[in-house]
Amino acid sequence: EDQVTQSPEALRLQEGESSSLNCSYTVSGLRGLFWYRQDPGKGPEFLFTLYSAGEEKEKERLKATLTKKESFLHITAPKPEDSATYLCAVLITSGTYKYIFGTGTRLKVLA
Amino acid sequence: GAVVSQHPSWVICKSGTSVKIECRSLDFQATTMFWYRQFPKQSLMLMATSNEGSKATYEQGVEKDKFLINHASLTLSTLTVTSAHPEDSSFYICSAHGGATGELFFGEGSRLTVL
Repeated sequence: EDQVTQSPEALRLQEGESSSLNCSYTVSGLRGLFWYRQDPGKGPEFLFTLYSAGEEKEKERLKATLTKKESFLHITAPKPEDSATYLCAVLITSGTYKYIFGTGTRLKVLA
Repeated sequence: GAVVSQHPSWVICKSGTSVKIECRSLDFQATTMFWYRQFPKQSLMLMATSNEGSKATYEQGVEKDKFLINHASLTLSTLTVTSAHPEDSSFYICSAHGGATGELFFGEGSRLTVL
């Protein structure tokens, strides 16, 4: 069964304390892996797309990496404004395109 | 990135009434849009895939007569919650493909509260 699992479920960091969020997947026919940021009461905001193992993308304090089984979202020296829920999703093709979302990691960065 | 606009942002209605939520792709054409429902502190639950010019494809367990989806043009999909009840209160989000690279772009979401 195609599955996407994110860990940890929740994470509290001090400002400046770097960490990583994990997105593990067990799917067939992976076409891409996506990271989103979601603030409370808002729709998800697109961050990154990764297509192949070994690929890396960076944006400000965020860096996303991809292997054949998982993806990491590294947060370097986070700030309170980085507090949000981070979602990963995979796009697979099994006859039709299908997106599978993880349950998200709720990140809280304390000043 | 591509822009998806959703309206209204929030709506409060009485039990038994119907509510329509609009999802528009502002700077691109979307033959396919997706409707999600999200409960507090949970991830997105796909409700249905909206296809321009044809019937929507509903996920298992989602009542198609309860959640009517219309995708009449390449830039507009609507979700109508018919005869709404308090248990339909939720956060509804639409999304669409932004282009050839496959990423989804999301609307701002619509918070529905049924009294």
